[in-house]
Amino acid sequence: QKEVEQNSGPLSVPEGAIASLNCTYSDRVSQSFFWYRQYSGKSPELIMSIYSNGDKEDGRFTAQLNKASQYVSLLIRDSQPSDSATYLCAVRNYGGSQGNLIFGKGTKLSVKP
Amino acid sequence: KAGVTQTPRYLIKTRGQQVTLSCSPISGHRSVSWYQQTPGQGLQFLFEYFSETQRNKGNFPGRFSGRQFSNSRSEMNVSTLELGDSALYLCASTTDRGYQPQHFGDGTRLSIL
Repeated sequence: QKEVEQNSGPLSVPEGAIASLNCTYSDRVSQSFFWYRQYSGKSPELIMSIYSNGDKEDGRFTAQLNKASQYVSLLIRDSQPSDSATYLCAVRNYGGSQGNLIFGKGTKLSVKP
Repeated sequence: KAGVTQTPRYLIKTRGQQVTLSCSPISGHRSVSWYQQTPGQGLQFLFEYFSETQRNKGNFPGRFSGRQFSNSRSEMNVSTLELGDSALYLCASTTDRGYQPQHFGDGTRLSIL
């Protein structure tokens, strides 16, 4: 059973701080990794994708991937109250019959003003 | 560019009825996936369609079925509705099943009375 694990939280950080969200996955052949943000009552919104080991930065967001450790993380710098949401980690294989996304259950982030 | 469009946004049904949900993918996207989201189970993969063929299927009973038309629009059908089918049903599209991320529609909120 392929699994994606996230700490459910809630993770509470003060405004302006760095929020660190973590995710581990069980399937070593996973090749594509995504972070989605989901506000309450809304659908998931893609914020970052990463495919190679290392860091990928996009504005205040940095995704980090370590395939040897089967670990993906998302850092949010200068956190804002508008970042308060549930963050979903998703993993996707490519090729064969396993092209679907496998989601973690999400980490709820609360940014306090 | 228009996003993924799901209709209807809300549905109320009673046990034993059946329901059909519709999804129009982003223009040019040929892969459509369906997910069920509940508070307890998170986002769970239902099935994926590509070029009118089901390429991948999650672990759901046969009451859940789908199809895709030549214009890539997809429908999902649930027969003999059960109380446990109450959920947010999300459709996501992508260009193919490779490295590209999936983009979600706003979802259909299904409530079973």
